[in-house]
Amino acid sequence: DQQVKQNSPSLSVQEGRISILNCDYTNSMFDYFLWYKKYPAEGPTFLISISSIKDKNEDGRFTVFLNKSAKHLSLHIVPSQPGDSAVYFCAASESGTASKLTFGTGTRLQVTL
Amino acid sequence: KAGVTQTPRYLIKTRGQQVTLSCSPISGHRSVSWYQQTPGQGLQFLFEYFSETQRNKGNFPGRFSGRQFSNSRSEMNVSTLELGDSALYLCASSPRGRGAEAFFGQGTRLTVV
Repeated sequence: DQQVKQNSPSLSVQEGRISILNCDYTNSMFDYFLWYKKYPAEGPTFLISISSIKDKNEDGRFTVFLNKSAKHLSLHIVPSQPGDSAVYFCAASESGTASKLTFGTGTRLQVTL
Repeated sequence: KAGVTQTPRYLIKTRGQQVTLSCSPISGHRSVSWYQQTPGQGLQFLFEYFSETQRNKGNFPGRFSGRQFSNSRSEMNVSTLELGDSALYLCASSPRGRGAEAFFGQGTRLTVV
């Protein structure tokens, strides 16, 4: 039972354009959401997070949007750069078990020149 | 500051054997979590240790166990290995066990033959 889903296994975007990565969840107890980036042969790196009391969080080129009613979140990268090419994982946690992250299966982003 | 160190990086074991993986967290971090990454299931939470106590546990059989020492270093053990245990095992450390503060190691690639 996949509680966090990333339905697009891959995404290709031109340099300078916007990348939009999507994530859906089914567990209504999730109240904290995170995005991680992973390069080959490295562990995931924390990118940005959002609490369920917010609907948007920005950090430089990265913005995460949360739609609680739709149980959907998205990560926007503007502008996309070649160095952003990696696998992006969406993750979620419940407040009582903040250390227990439930991950999606990842979306491979390729930013082309 | 040294990052999260996992040893060994690669391991090949035979079905039925047992294996122990090691994780040295970032200095000062008291929480260590373990994840299993497979192509089909993505990253799945195994367990978390905080101050030598297991604080959270995922849905894995009892063959998977772990422990944490007084210096916060952690080990995980898998007994009676099965082919399906072949995966990348990732360790993450954080000061308090919150996902947004988690730093991942490079992982141990376990292959069961």
